[in-house]
Amino acid sequence: GENVEQHPSTLSVQEGDSAVIKCTYSDSASNYFPWYKQELGKGPQLIIDIRSNVGEKKDQRIAVTLNKTAKHFSLHITETQPEDSAVYFCAAVRPGGSNYKLTFGKGTLLTVNP
Amino acid sequence: EAGVVQSPRYKIIEKKQPVAFWCNPISGHNTLYWYLQNLGQGPELLIRYENEEAVDDSQLPKDRFSAERLKGVDSTLKIQPAELGDSAVYLCASSLEAGGPYNEQFFGPGTRLTVL
Repeated sequence: GENVEQHPSTLSVQEGDSAVIKCTYSDSASNYFPWYKQELGKGPQLIIDIRSNVGEKKDQRIAVTLNKTAKHFSLHITETQPEDSAVYFCAAVRPGGSNYKLTFGKGTLLTVNP
Repeated sequence: EAGVVQSPRYKIIEKKQPVAFWCNPISGHNTLYWYLQNLGQGPELLIRYENEEAVDDSQLPKDRFSAERLKGVDSTLKIQPAELGDSAVYLCASSLEAGGPYNEQFFGPGTRLTVL
């Protein structure tokens, strides 16, 4: 099955700095890569996603890049703010009719220091 | 619009006791998921429903876990009997059926289970 590795497990930055979280996946058939943000006591929330036919996608301060050949993708947050502090999860989806499944990484705890 | 509702939010039980979690998805979402999230880990799928049909329960430990979605709306996940290792957060999510894996999954706040 799919295996998603995520690094780093913790990341601390100063407000205004950039943050980068990296993930690799194992199954070359995976073609959809969402990123979720989970705040304390809440469920994960989708913040951005990318499909395998696109190399980069941007939404205001967040962007995701995908390298299909190397099977890795990254989340970039610019001009970080204290409210960006949360756990971020990358995920990969391998399509397969009714047998698709979202496989998550282990998460990155991002702390933005004011 | 209300999000995914789960109850209870917290549950503490002794091992070997039964426990049940309830989920009400977003109105109109035909697909419902139950996930298990251990501390410091990402969510792991337990079961996925399309309407009232369980279309993927391959990761559900069927010796002690069961789930139902009788009318294709709300759902219940049960553990009987609970073991110490079942302590975790149980997340429910829902999405529109059309688009399958590419549809956004909306998560509830989860039920934190502690087994003593």
